Amino acid sequence: AQSVTQPDIHITVSEGASLELRCNYSYGATPYLFWYVQSPGQGLQLLLKYFSGDTLVQGIKGFEAEFKRSQSSFNLRKPSVHWSDAAEYFCAVGLTGGFKTIFGAGTRLFVKA
Amino acid sequence: DAGVTQSPTHLIKTRGQQVTLRCSPISGHKSVSWYQQVLGQGPQFIFQYYEKEERGRGNFPDRFSARQFPNYSSELNVNALLLGDSALYLCASRSDPTNYGYTFGSGTRLTVV
Repeated sequence: AQSVTQPDIHITVSEGASLELRCNYSYGATPYLFWYVQSPGQGLQLLLKYFSGDTLVQGIKGFEAEFKRSQSSFNLRKPSVHWSDAAEYFCAVGLTGGFKTIFGAGTRLFVKA
Repeated sequence: DAGVTQSPTHLIKTRGQQVTLRCSPISGHKSVSWYQQVLGQGPQFIFQYYEKEERGRGNFPDRFSARQFPNYSSELNVNALLLGDSALYLCASRSDPTNYGYTFGSGTRLTVV
């Protein structure tokens, strides 16, 4: 069965420090991978997506993610975190055909001064 | 341009009642999906509609139904509400089902008491 695992329920990072959020997926076909961010009381905003090609993808707000097929991973990174990055981050896999996207349980990011 | 708009933003219902949630997609987007996000979890897929036809359905009981109108707006109906239906209901739109990557609305917070 298809699934997305985000091993870290929450992470605390100091402002200015680097960030890596982990994501592992289980899907038999070519995955379409996404990272979304959700601020409290808000909907989800698409940060970046991977369909094919270069395994390092750039997104908005200075985020990037790397697809590693051998590890079934799609980790999100940012070199320097800002206080405004505090939010919940969701990794997701889009199933072939486009009719369904499966989300992980999310990782809540806290940023300390 | 207006984003995905959902109404109402908050709703309180009693167990056993029925509720209708509304969604207007981004202009030009013909595909609308509904997701349920229970507190502390990632969004769970409920329905996808494209060109007024149901294209996908998640693992939800028949109490959940939806429809899409000729102007591509959509309604989600939930009958015989249970306490467990309390959640944030998210609507997402995209231009067509093969255009992966949703634009989400801010959601409707449903509380069942």
